[in-house]
Amino acid sequence: NAGVMQNPRHLVRRRGQEARLRCSPMKGHSHVYWYRQLPEEGLKFMVYLQKENIIDESGMPKERFSAEFPKEGPSILRIQQVVRGDSAAYFCASSRPRGQGIDEQYFGPGTRLTVT
Amino acid sequence: AQKITQTQPGMFVQEKEAVTLDCTYDTSDPSYGLFWYKQPSSGEMIFLIYQGSYDQQNATEGRYSLNFQKARKSANLVISASQLGDSAMYFCAMRANFGNEKLTFGTGTRLTIIP
Repeated sequence: NAGVMQNPRHLVRRRGQEARLRCSPMKGHSHVYWYRQLPEEGLKFMVYLQKENIIDESGMPKERFSAEFPKEGPSILRIQQVVRGDSAAYFCASSRPRGQGIDEQYFGPGTRLTVT
Repeated sequence: AQKITQTQPGMFVQEKEAVTLDCTYDTSDPSYGLFWYKQPSSGEMIFLIYQGSYDQQNATEGRYSLNFQKARKSANLVISASQLGDSAMYFCAMRANFGNEKLTFGTGTRLTIIP
Protein backbone atom coordinates (compact mmCIF):
# COMPACT_ATOMS: atom_id res chain seq x y z
CA ASN A 1 0.00 0.00 0.00
CA ALA A 2 2.10 2.86 -1.31
CA GLY A 3 2.10 6.15 0.54
CA VAL A 4 1.94 9.60 -0.96
CA MET A 5 4.43 9.85 -3.81
CA GLN A 6 6.21 13.01 -4.79
CA ASN A 7 8.68 13.58 -7.54
CA PRO A 8 11.22 14.75 -8.04
CA ARG A 9 12.69 14.60 -4.55
CA HIS A 10 15.20 17.28 -5.40
CA LEU A 11 14.88 19.90 -8.11
CA VAL A 12 17.37 22.57 -9.09
CA ARG A 13 16.27 25.44 -11.30
CA ARG A 14 17.90 28.65 -12.45
CA ARG A 15 16.13 31.91 -11.87
CA GLY A 16 13.44 32.44 -14.50
CA GLN A 17 12.87 28.76 -15.24
CA GLU A 18 9.73 26.80 -14.51
CA ALA A 19 9.39 24.19 -11.77
CA ARG A 20 6.86 21.37 -11.91
CA LEU A 21 6.26 19.32 -8.79
CA ARG A 22 4.17 16.15 -8.90
CA CYS A 23 2.13 14.41 -6.24
CA SER A 24 0.29 11.09 -6.38
CA PRO A 25 -2.04 10.65 -3.39
CA MET A 26 -2.49 7.47 -1.45
CA LYS A 27 -4.89 4.93 -2.90
CA GLY A 28 -8.45 5.82 -1.96
CA HIS A 29 -7.57 9.43 -1.15
CA SER A 30 -9.31 12.09 -3.19
CA HIS A 31 -8.14 15.20 -1.33
CA VAL A 32 -4.74 16.73 -2.00
CA TYR A 33 -3.01 19.58 -0.18
CA TRP A 34 0.19 21.43 -0.92
CA TYR A 35 2.35 23.03 1.78
CA ARG A 36 5.60 24.95 1.66
CA GLN A 37 8.33 24.82 4.28
CA LEU A 38 10.97 27.52 4.24
CA PRO A 39 14.27 26.69 5.97
CA GLU A 40 13.91 26.47 9.76
CA GLU A 41 10.18 27.20 9.62
CA GLY A 42 6.92 25.30 9.96
CA LEU A 43 4.76 24.26 7.05
CA LYS A 44 2.50 26.83 5.45
CA PHE A 45 -0.67 25.85 3.59
CA MET A 46 -0.79 26.72 -0.08
CA VAL A 47 -3.72 25.01 -1.80
CA TYR A 48 -6.33 22.29 -1.33
CA LEU A 49 -7.69 20.36 -4.30
CA GLN A 50 -10.08 17.59 -5.11
CA LYS A 51 -10.25 15.92 -8.48
CA GLU A 52 -10.61 18.66 -11.13
CA ASN A 53 -11.46 21.27 -8.49
CA ILE A 54 -9.51 23.83 -6.50
CA ILE A 55 -11.28 24.06 -3.15
CA ASP A 56 -9.08 26.52 -1.28
CA GLU A 57 -6.14 28.43 -2.73
CA SER A 58 -5.94 31.06 -0.01
CA GLY A 59 -2.27 30.28 0.66
CA MET A 60 -1.08 30.48 -2.93
CA PRO A 61 0.96 33.48 -4.03
CA LYS A 62 -1.08 35.52 -6.46
CA GLU A 63 1.42 35.31 -9.28
CA ARG A 64 3.57 32.59 -10.84
CA PHE A 65 2.07 29.72 -8.80
CA SER A 66 -0.68 27.38 -9.98
CA ALA A 67 -1.95 23.93 -9.06
CA GLU A 68 -4.12 21.30 -10.63
CA PHE A 69 -5.44 17.84 -9.85
CA PRO A 70 -6.75 16.37 -13.09
CA LYS A 71 -9.21 13.52 -13.40
CA GLU A 72 -6.38 11.23 -14.40
CA GLY A 73 -2.81 11.52 -13.17
CA PRO A 74 -1.00 13.24 -10.36
CA SER A 75 -1.55 16.65 -8.85
CA ILE A 76 0.87 19.26 -10.22
CA LEU A 77 2.22 22.35 -8.48
CA ARG A 78 3.69 24.68 -11.08
CA ILE A 79 5.95 27.63 -10.35
CA GLN A 80 6.74 29.88 -13.29
CA GLN A 81 9.78 32.14 -13.51
CA VAL A 82 11.24 30.92 -10.25
CA VAL A 83 13.12 33.29 -7.96
CA ARG A 84 15.59 32.54 -5.16
CA GLY A 85 12.85 33.06 -2.57
CA ASP A 86 10.99 30.05 -3.97
CA SER A 87 13.73 27.77 -2.63
CA ALA A 88 11.97 25.59 -0.07
CA ALA A 89 10.62 22.13 0.61
CA TYR A 90 7.21 21.56 -0.96
CA PHE A 91 5.08 18.91 0.67
CA CYS A 92 2.01 17.24 -0.69
CA ALA A 93 -0.50 15.55 1.60
CA SER A 94 -3.58 13.51 0.92
CA SER A 95 -6.60 12.44 2.94
CA ARG A 96 -9.76 10.39 2.64
CA PRO A 97 -13.09 12.05 1.97
CA ARG A 98 -14.85 13.34 5.06
CA GLY A 99 -16.64 10.80 7.17
CA GLN A 100 -14.25 7.94 6.47
CA GLY A 101 -12.17 7.85 9.63
CA ILE A 102 -10.04 10.46 11.29
CA ASP A 103 -9.03 11.69 7.82
CA GLU A 104 -5.64 12.83 8.95
CA GLN A 105 -3.41 14.10 6.21
CA TYR A 106 -0.63 11.77 5.14
CA PHE A 107 2.40 13.55 3.80
CA GLY A 108 4.71 12.70 0.96
CA PRO A 109 8.50 12.90 1.31
CA GLY A 110 8.58 16.41 -0.12
CA THR A 111 10.36 18.04 -3.06
CA ARG A 112 13.33 20.21 -2.20
CA LEU A 113 13.48 23.03 -4.70
CA THR A 114 16.71 24.99 -5.02
CA VAL A 115 16.79 28.07 -7.21
CA THR A 116 20.26 29.16 -8.26
CA ALA B 1 -8.34 32.38 11.89
CA GLN B 2 -6.35 29.68 13.59
CA LYS B 3 -3.03 29.99 15.33
CA ILE B 4 -0.66 27.45 16.84
CA THR B 5 2.09 28.46 19.25
CA GLN B 6 5.04 26.28 20.16
CA THR B 7 7.22 28.16 22.61
CA GLN B 8 10.12 25.70 22.86
CA PRO B 9 12.48 26.08 19.89
CA GLY B 10 14.71 23.30 21.18
CA MET B 11 14.84 20.74 23.95
CA PHE B 12 17.49 18.33 25.21
CA VAL B 13 16.34 15.23 27.07
CA GLN B 14 18.19 12.28 28.53
CA GLU B 15 17.43 8.94 26.93
CA LYS B 16 14.64 6.96 28.67
CA GLU B 17 13.18 10.04 30.30
CA ALA B 18 9.71 11.36 29.48
CA VAL B 19 9.39 14.64 27.62
CA THR B 20 6.54 17.09 27.17
CA LEU B 21 6.37 19.31 24.10
CA ASP B 22 4.14 22.34 24.54
CA CYS B 23 1.46 23.49 22.13
CA THR B 24 -1.19 26.14 22.60
CA TYR B 25 -3.76 27.10 20.02
CA ASP B 26 -6.31 29.73 19.24
CA THR B 27 -9.41 29.32 17.13
CA SER B 28 -12.99 30.49 16.90
CA ASP B 29 -14.15 27.23 15.35
CA PRO B 30 -16.48 25.23 17.64
CA SER B 31 -15.16 21.90 16.38
CA TYR B 32 -11.58 21.19 15.45
CA GLY B 33 -8.84 18.60 15.39
CA LEU B 34 -5.33 18.76 16.78
CA PHE B 35 -2.41 16.85 15.29
CA TRP B 36 1.23 16.18 16.04
CA TYR B 37 3.77 15.39 13.34
CA LYS B 38 7.40 14.34 13.58
CA GLN B 39 9.98 15.47 11.05
CA PRO B 40 13.31 13.61 11.32
CA SER B 41 16.46 14.90 9.69
CA SER B 42 15.55 12.99 6.52
CA GLY B 43 12.74 15.51 6.06
CA GLU B 44 9.54 13.50 5.79
CA MET B 45 6.48 14.37 7.89
CA ILE B 46 5.24 11.51 10.05
CA PHE B 47 1.77 11.63 11.61
CA LEU B 48 1.91 10.77 15.31
CA ILE B 49 -1.38 11.43 17.05
CA TYR B 50 -4.77 13.12 16.71
CA GLN B 51 -7.16 14.68 19.23
CA GLY B 52 -10.68 15.81 18.40
CA SER B 53 -12.01 18.80 20.28
CA TYR B 54 -15.04 16.86 21.50
CA ASP B 55 -13.13 13.73 22.48
CA GLN B 56 -13.68 13.01 26.15
CA GLN B 57 -10.40 11.20 26.66
CA ASN B 58 -6.86 12.17 25.84
CA ALA B 59 -5.50 10.42 22.78
CA THR B 60 -2.74 7.83 23.13
CA GLU B 61 -0.65 6.02 20.51
CA GLY B 62 2.02 3.75 21.93
CA ARG B 63 4.61 5.94 23.66
CA TYR B 64 2.82 9.11 22.54
CA SER B 65 0.00 10.72 24.44
CA LEU B 66 -1.69 14.05 24.02
CA ASN B 67 -2.42 16.09 27.15
CA PHE B 68 -5.49 17.98 25.95
CA GLN B 69 -6.73 20.82 28.16
CA LYS B 70 -9.53 22.48 26.24
CA ALA B 71 -10.16 25.34 28.65
CA ARG B 72 -6.49 26.31 28.48
CA LYS B 73 -6.37 25.69 24.72
CA SER B 74 -3.36 23.48 25.06
CA ALA B 75 -2.50 20.19 23.40
CA ASN B 76 0.87 19.08 24.71
CA LEU B 77 2.58 15.97 23.36
CA VAL B 78 4.05 13.60 25.90
CA ILE B 79 6.64 11.06 24.82
CA SER B 80 7.35 8.41 27.41
CA ALA B 81 10.65 6.54 27.72
CA SER B 82 12.40 8.60 25.06
CA GLN B 83 14.70 6.90 22.56
CA LEU B 84 17.57 8.17 20.43
CA GLY B 85 15.33 7.79 17.39
CA ASP B 86 12.95 10.37 18.83
CA SER B 87 15.43 13.12 17.98
CA ALA B 88 13.60 15.22 15.38
CA MET B 89 11.50 18.32 14.81
CA TYR B 90 7.98 18.08 16.18
CA PHE B 91 5.11 20.12 14.82
CA CYS B 92 1.74 20.75 16.37
CA ALA B 93 -1.07 21.48 13.90
CA MET B 94 -4.80 22.09 13.90
CA ARG B 95 -7.68 22.04 11.50
CA ALA B 96 -11.32 23.07 11.70
CA ASN B 97 -13.69 20.16 11.36
CA PHE B 98 -16.12 21.85 9.03
CA GLY B 99 -15.37 23.49 5.73
CA ASN B 100 -11.80 24.62 6.21
CA GLU B 101 -9.58 21.63 5.45
CA LYS B 102 -6.13 23.14 5.73
CA LEU B 103 -3.75 22.39 8.55
CA THR B 104 -2.24 25.29 10.43
CA PHE B 105 1.19 24.46 11.83
CA GLY B 106 3.28 25.80 14.65
CA THR B 107 6.95 26.68 14.24
CA GLY B 108 8.08 23.40 15.73
CA THR B 109 10.29 22.14 18.55
CA ARG B 110 13.63 20.50 17.85
CA LEU B 111 14.01 17.59 20.28
CA THR B 112 17.42 16.08 20.88
CA ILE B 113 17.74 12.89 22.91
CA ILE B 114 21.04 12.57 24.76
CA PRO B 115 22.47 9.07 25.27
